[in-house]
Amino acid sequence: EAQVTQNPRYLITVTGKKLTVTCSQNMNHEYMSWYRQDPGLGLRQIYYSMNVEVTDKGDVPEGYKVSRKEKRNFPLILESPSPNQTSLYFCASSTQPRALYGYTFGSGTRLTVV
Amino acid sequence: GESVGLHLPTLSVQEGDNSIINCAYSNSASDYFIWYKQESGKGPQFIIDIRSNMDKRQGQRVTVLLNKTVKHLSLQIAATQPGDSAVYFCAEINGGATNKLIFGTGTLLAVQP
Repeated sequence: EAQVTQNPRYLITVTGKKLTVTCSQNMNHEYMSWYRQDPGLGLRQIYYSMNVEVTDKGDVPEGYKVSRKEKRNFPLILESPSPNQTSLYFCASSTQPRALYGYTFGSGTRLTVV
Repeated sequence: GESVGLHLPTLSVQEGDNSIINCAYSNSASDYFIWYKQESGKGPQFIIDIRSNMDKRQGQRVTVLLNKTVKHLSLQIAATQPGDSAVYFCAEINGGATNKLIFGTGTLLAVQP
């Protein structure tokens, strides 16, 4: 089954403790992206990657890092999480150069930073 | 945690009625549009798309209308069912630019039995 897999689904952590949210896709998509979703603000792009070793900032990159060492994986790293990073996170992937049929989204990771 | 549906405009319909969800998009250069459905606890799912050289596209029980003159999209759902209850987003891609989807804020569709 074609899918984007995120882990974990739920995570509660403390301020300052580094964490990684993993994302993997099995569709051989070049393009991958991370979004956060907050009530009243919709989906906002954090980082994206147009191919292996090619990453760029989205609209809200502060406090996040990403890497793209392999085509299928695009982890999101929070080096020092803070409570304002409590949110619902989605990984997405698509074909390049154009997103035929849009993006395929993962099921989400609900992160709480206390 | 808070539901994604909070703070969103809500459309409440009776089961069996038709639903129309509207979206205003921002960029006149956008050439591809998508409607997504997001159920509680899940990621957005593709419903239907339309390219800017079309003004109407039909799927199974869904129709998307595009009015480029006023930069407006609508999603029509026929014979709405309880399983249609979800948040619906429109999204646009700017032709020629990066692969970036710009999302609308969404509408919560509540289907009353």
